[in-house]
Amino acid sequence: GEDVEQSLFLSVREGDSSVINCTYTDSSSTYLYWYKQEPGAGLQLLTYIFSNMDMKQDQRLTVLLNKKDKHLSLRIADTQTGDSAIYFCAEKQAGTALIFGKGTTLSVSS
Amino acid sequence: DVKVTQSSRYLVKRTGEKVFLECVQDMDHENMFWYRQDPGLGLRLIYFSYDVKMKEKGDIPEGYSVSREKKERFSLILESASTNQTSMYLCASSLLPGGRGGTEAFFGQGTRLTVV
Repeated sequence: GEDVEQSLFLSVREGDSSVINCTYTDSSSTYLYWYKQEPGAGLQLLTYIFSNMDMKQDQRLTVLLNKKDKHLSLRIADTQTGDSAIYFCAEKQAGTALIFGKGTTLSVSS
Repeated sequence: DVKVTQSSRYLVKRTGEKVFLECVQDMDHENMFWYRQDPGLGLRLIYFSYDVKMKEKGDIPEGYSVSREKKERFSLILESASTNQTSMYLCASSLLPGGRGGTEAFFGQGTRLTVV
């Protein structure tokens, strides 16, 4: 079947904005999520968006959703070294568990 | 705070051993999940459970089984461990079944299993 697609690596400088992109599989997915995984830890929910929204902002985080293209993005403003982690995009289809992308490793250099 | 606790952070087992990975959640969640995480492959769903004694196969169930005798506990069993099962195993739980409502999943800290 189709996969949730993400680029594997992103490298930015401290203070710049980071944009992590994701393409999901099912246009009927009701919720879309961004999870963060720091080294040696489990996944932590960062933010999520309902499918009837096209944008959600939460402090330094902005999520954009393009349902027509099944494209989701996460923008982190003023990226800090503490933002270095793996970021997973996930979609929730009816009756199933969350389906995850392979994760984008964000590296922030000072 | 929701807490999902996995019994071990690190495990080393021998090929052919029967291995039990335990997961407990304290928020009365109906749904529980087992994923494995491998570099370059992301998270892959092994099994999930909607309710006590209920289980559904995920994408990669081969070589694994699960047990959910109590709502708060979901166990992953490797019947006969093999080296290709060396991985990080992540347990998760969520509140609402199916597609109804918000279904945020809360994760445990992970168990890094090495099979030698």
